[in-house]
Amino acid sequence: EAQVTQNPRYLITVTGKKLTVTCSQNMNHEYMSWYRQDPGLGLRQIYYSMNVEVTDKGDVPEGYKVSRKEKRNFPLILESPSPNQTSLYFCASSFLPFDRLNQPQHFGDGTRLSIL
Amino acid sequence: AQKITQTQPGMFVQEKEAVTLDCTYDTSDPSYGLFWYKQPSSGEMIFLIYQGSYDQQNATEGRYSLNFQKARKSANLVISASQLGDSAMYFCAMRAGNTGGFKTIFGAGTRLFVKA
Repeated sequence: EAQVTQNPRYLITVTGKKLTVTCSQNMNHEYMSWYRQDPGLGLRQIYYSMNVEVTDKGDVPEGYKVSRKEKRNFPLILESPSPNQTSLYFCASSFLPFDRLNQPQHFGDGTRLSIL
Repeated sequence: AQKITQTQPGMFVQEKEAVTLDCTYDTSDPSYGLFWYKQPSSGEMIFLIYQGSYDQQNATEGRYSLNFQKARKSANLVISASQLGDSAMYFCAMRAGNTGGFKTIFGAGTRLFVKA
């Protein structure tokens, strides 16, 4: 089954304790992205990657790191989490064909992070 | 700067009636794609419909159609014959081309309530 898998689905942790949210897709997609969803703000892009070893900042990259060592994986790292990073996080992926723009993103089920 | 605006935080529609969800966008890039996604209460993100900036005709997908008015920079979603299962959050999104760095931005969303 084609899917984007995020883990964990839920996490409660404390300020300053490093954490990683994993994301893996089995559709051979070039484009992968992380978003955070907050009430009244919709989804905001944190980082995205056009291919292996290529990552770019989205609109809210501060406090986050990503890496793209393999095509299928795109982990999100919070080196020193703070309470303002409490949010619902989505990983997404898509193809980048010649047109590059018309591919819808496939989303994971989301990870709800609570930073105390 | 790129921007997506959804001015309707919430909307009600009677079952079997049509409803229009508004979306306006702003970008200086001539090449861009516009997407609508549905987020039910279960939380997953579901792709509904796509419109490219160079597409001559409005996109349609079953009961969903996109009213694309390029000069007005609007991309409204029309849902015909509403069903109770259409009750959800709806997001408009844009992915711009080269000058936009292939970022994706989302609007704040519109919560649709379908009444029986």
